[in-house]
Amino acid sequence: GENVEQHPSTLSVQEGDSAVIKCTYSDSASNYFPWYKQELGKRPQLIIDIRSNVGEKKDQRIAVTLNKTAKHFSLHITETQPEDSAVYFCAASSGGSNYKLTFGKGTLLTVNP
Amino acid sequence: GAGVSQSPSNKVTEKGKDVELRCDPISGHTALYWYRQSLGQGLEFLIYFQGNSAPDKSGLPSDRFSAERTGGSVSTLTIQRTQQEDSAVYLCASSLEPVGTQYFGPGTRLLVL
Repeated sequence: GENVEQHPSTLSVQEGDSAVIKCTYSDSASNYFPWYKQELGKRPQLIIDIRSNVGEKKDQRIAVTLNKTAKHFSLHITETQPEDSAVYFCAASSGGSNYKLTFGKGTLLTVNP
Repeated sequence: GAGVSQSPSNKVTEKGKDVELRCDPISGHTALYWYRQSLGQGLEFLIYFQGNSAPDKSGLPSDRFSAERTGGSVSTLTIQRTQQEDSAVYLCASSLEPVGTQYFGPGTRLLVL
């Protein structure tokens, strides 16, 4: 089955700096890669996703890049703000059943004012 | 409109008792998912329902776990003879279509004493 590794597990940055979170996956047939943000005690919320026919996608301060050859994808947050502090999860679909997502273990991002 | 709702929000039970967790998906969403989130871990896929198709139960950890979805809407996750290792947050999600954005409920925090 699919295996998703996420790094780092914790990340601390100063407000205004950039943050990068990286994930690798094992199933070469995976074609859907969402990123979720989960604030403490809240539900996970989708912040951006990318499909395998696209190499990069941006939404304001957030961008995701995908390298299918290397089987890794990354989340980039620029101009970080304290409200970006949360746990971020990457996920990859299982190649044979696109609805089934395998999640990474999460990255706790802390943005220091 | 209303998002995904779950009940109860918290459940404390004794080892060996059965529990039922409820999920109300977003109206019109055909796909429904259950996940388990243990402390400090990512989301673990449990089961998937899509329309009238047979559910994908491949993520259920043991035969003590079962789920049903009545009328293509509300879903109930049942854990029989609960064990302490069942303690976790159980999250439900729904999506408009199988590979669409998954919208999560607030979760049920289960504690087995």
